[in-house]
Amino acid sequence: GAVVSQHPSWVICKSGTSVKIECRSLDFQATTMFWYRQFPKQSLMLMATSNEGSKATYEQGVEKDKFLINHASLTLSTLTVTSAHPEDSSFYICSASTGINQPQHFGDGTRLSIL
Amino acid sequence: GQNIDQPTEMTATEGAIVQINCTYQTSGFNGLFWYQQHAGEAPTFLSYNVLDGLEEKGRFSSFLSRSKGYSYLLLKELQMKDSASYLCAAPSGSARQLTFGSGTQLTVLP
Repeated sequence: GAVVSQHPSWVICKSGTSVKIECRSLDFQATTMFWYRQFPKQSLMLMATSNEGSKATYEQGVEKDKFLINHASLTLSTLTVTSAHPEDSSFYICSASTGINQPQHFGDGTRLSIL
Repeated sequence: GQNIDQPTEMTATEGAIVQINCTYQTSGFNGLFWYQQHAGEAPTFLSYNVLDGLEEKGRFSSFLSRSKGYSYLLLKELQMKDSASYLCAAPSGSARQLTFGSGTQLTVLP
């Protein structure tokens, strides 16, 4: 149980393109999902907390207009990287848990490469 | 705020035992997680401690001392596939968002 699916797993695109990443909880409902970013040889950094039916909560330094988050249902959150540039190239990972103080389960991640 | 410290790298031999330490300073305590992350993959859950003491799960065990702000992950009978980054993480806030340590890269040698 507690499977999180993330799609796509790999994206390569030109600078200026917008990229949408989907995160789905397959066998449970998630009122809250989390989006992380990980640069090479660094740890995961929380970008934002995605709340079903309301606005996402962004961490300090993360531009909400650049990283658009939509959590329209209890099983789906999307992250759109708008007008992506090479410095946005990173490993983006989503997670969700079945409840407070339960482990977060991670999607397989999306490797984004902007040329 | 949250502050989590763990060693950057460790090396051990196949079949040995290794202990990965984590110290934390958190505003409020909601337990401590350990995750394993292989290169290029997402983290996988290993353990969650909220009470003091040792929790054993097969070859992996995790220990917590809340008074000392200290935890460790113990890996026994090391296998080559245990080479990975081990992340200590603390939840905080109403949504229990995770703050991760920098991760400890464990290399298991034959």
